[in-house]
Amino acid sequence: SAVISQKPSRDICQRGTSLTIQCQVDSQVTMMFWYRQQPGQSLTLIATANQGSEATYESGFVIDKFPISRPNLTFSTLTVSNMSPEDSSIYLCSVEERGAKNIQYFGAGTRLSVL
Amino acid sequence: AQKITQTQPGMFVQEKEAVTLDCTYDTSDQSYGLFWYKQPSSGEMIFLIYQGSYDEQNATEGRYSLNFQKARKSANLVISASQLGDSAMYFCAMREERFAGNNRKLIWGLGTSLAVNP
Repeated sequence: SAVISQKPSRDICQRGTSLTIQCQVDSQVTMMFWYRQQPGQSLTLIATANQGSEATYESGFVIDKFPISRPNLTFSTLTVSNMSPEDSSIYLCSVEERGAKNIQYFGAGTRLSVL
Repeated sequence: AQKITQTQPGMFVQEKEAVTLDCTYDTSDQSYGLFWYKQPSSGEMIFLIYQGSYDEQNATEGRYSLNFQKARKSANLVISASQLGDSAMYFCAMREERFAGNNRKLIWGLGTSLAVNP
């Protein structure tokens, strides 16, 4: 399975600042996903990021708040902009590994606290 | 509408015993995949097991097996010989295979918290 490195693993940020989360994969993948998991909740998809095209955002998420870059087939970043305490969550990136099952594998997550 | 239901918010099991975590799904599609993930307190999401809707046999991966009952639309995870390290959140998810590109999404359940007692 793909090895996904996500960083930072955790951060504590001040209200109004921005944080960029990096996701690096050890193989080339077409589809990468960014999720948010609020405390005690399930996963919510923020956007799907394909290399060479604009990210596709889910309802309730906008590019100005969560800009995503996907410069190549092994790397993506998610920025959480103008943060508020409501943005305190775990942010996870995942990749879909093409094959018979098309499994999504996840990075270790970024635990973000906003004060 | 696509939906995953996990009715057990929390479960307890004694170490070395087996436990079943329930998952029911709703889809009108014939082709879909079902997934189980484990999330320890560290926060990472670990893939456990996959079942395709056309797979005739129940999936197994080591101590994990999936009790797939297509007519009942259930995909329960069975963990045999529970270990202390199995204590975690467990999520069931589904993907409808008719979607392509940016619509290839996983639909997630709310999760079940499993505690393994020594």
